Order: sequence, then C-alpha cells, then structure tokens
Amino acid sequence: LAKTTQPISMDSYEGQEVNITCSHNNIATNDYITWYQQFPSQGPRFIIQGYKTKVTNEVASLFIPADRKSSTLSLPRVSLSDTAVYYCLVGDIKGGGSTLGRLYFGRGTQLTVWP
Amino acid sequence: NAGVTQTPKFRVLKTGQSMTLLCAQDMNHEYMYWYRQDPGMGLRLIHYSVGEGTTAKGEVPDGYNVSRLKKQNFLLGLESAAPSQTSVYFCASSYSGQSSGNTIYFGEGSWLTVV
Repeated sequence: LAKTTQPISMDSYEGQEVNITCSHNNIATNDYITWYQQFPSQGPRFIIQGYKTKVTNEVASLFIPADRKSSTLSLPRVSLSDTAVYYCLVGDIKGGGSTLGRLYFGRGTQLTVWP
Repeated sequence: NAGVTQTPKFRVLKTGQSMTLLCAQDMNHEYMYWYRQDPGMGLRLIHYSVGEGTTAKGEVPDGYNVSRLKKQNFLLGLESAAPSQTSVYFCASSYSGQSSGNTIYFGEGSWLTVV
C-alpha cells in the first residue's frame, strides 16, 4: 500500500486559501487519493477523493497532476473552524475492506488557522 | 441517523483488568475496523472485519481480540490491559461495494487509560 508524505504542520490566517501537498511517489494504477479531516476529540471524516485531474466539492478542491505522484488539497478562505489535522491516503479503495481499512493514515498535517 | 457509535467513551482500567469496547453501526456496512491513535503516531489499524463472523489482524493486533457476531456490531476486547494500551480507540465502518465513492466512517472515539 502506497505511503504518503505531507507536512507535519501549517499555519494560516482566516480568509486565506490553504494548499496542503501530499507526496505519493509509489502510487499504483488502481489507487485513489482520499483526504480526511480530524478535529480534536473526534474521529476523522471524509473530505474529498479523486483519481486524476481536479475534483471539487462544497468543502475543498483536490488537484492531481498527470503523473499522480503528488496531490494538493485546497481549502478556500479558511476560518478558525478549519483548524484540524488533515490526512492524505492513497490506496485501491475499490478493493474493498481488506485494502480500504489498511490505508495508511500517517501523522497527517496539523493546520492551525489564526484570527 | 447515528452512524458509528462507540461505548464507553471513557474508561480507566487497572493493569491486568479486562474490558470490551462496543462498536455499533446502523448503515448496513459490511466492513468494520478498530484503530488506535497515539500522540504523534497517527491512526493504526488493530483488527478489521469484512463481514459477519469474520475478522482479520491489522497492523498492531497484539493484546487485542475482536468478534463480529452481528453485522452491525464489532467488539474489541482487552484480556489483560497494559499501560501501553492507553490510547484513543476509533471504530469505523465502510460499504463493501466497489465504487469510487467508498469511504470510511468513524465513530467519536473511546478514551482508555490503563494505570
């Protein structure tokens, strides 16, 4: 299962756009890229998922270059409530629970948004 | 819609005591998981289940046992608690279908302290 590398921490101010980049050099053909968000004292929750190019939803955008060896989570105009840990996961999510549950969460990126 | 529910939320155990954490999901998911989260370690998979009556070891299974007697429930047992098992435990579940939207749903966590 492909492991990922992402910054340990990032700081931003309210209203700014935040981009968190994740490296996954050994991503496989069937792997998808998924981002989760975790607030203190809560379980992680799904933010966005993609395979290639760009994906956008009401929360974030995900940019994936053609070689898929990295991806960037973009959070537009962050607020204090976006302070959380963000996890980048790479794996064959179509493989079912045996691979889905073994996706590597790592330490994630602690995003702190300041007023 | 409760999603994934864990009980208890908090528990203090003495070394050598036993206990069981209960996880219940109401989304009719086939797959269920138990993770532990320690400071600076991210999420690590303990055990998982791909269906009623089946379980499998994850990354850190030693000292834990699990059972999946009912589809909606996944139990995590500590037979003889050790201080090293002091952690936050997260239960999760996922749909078994092979779709690009397959994601993991987490519970709120159970804080366990072993003294």
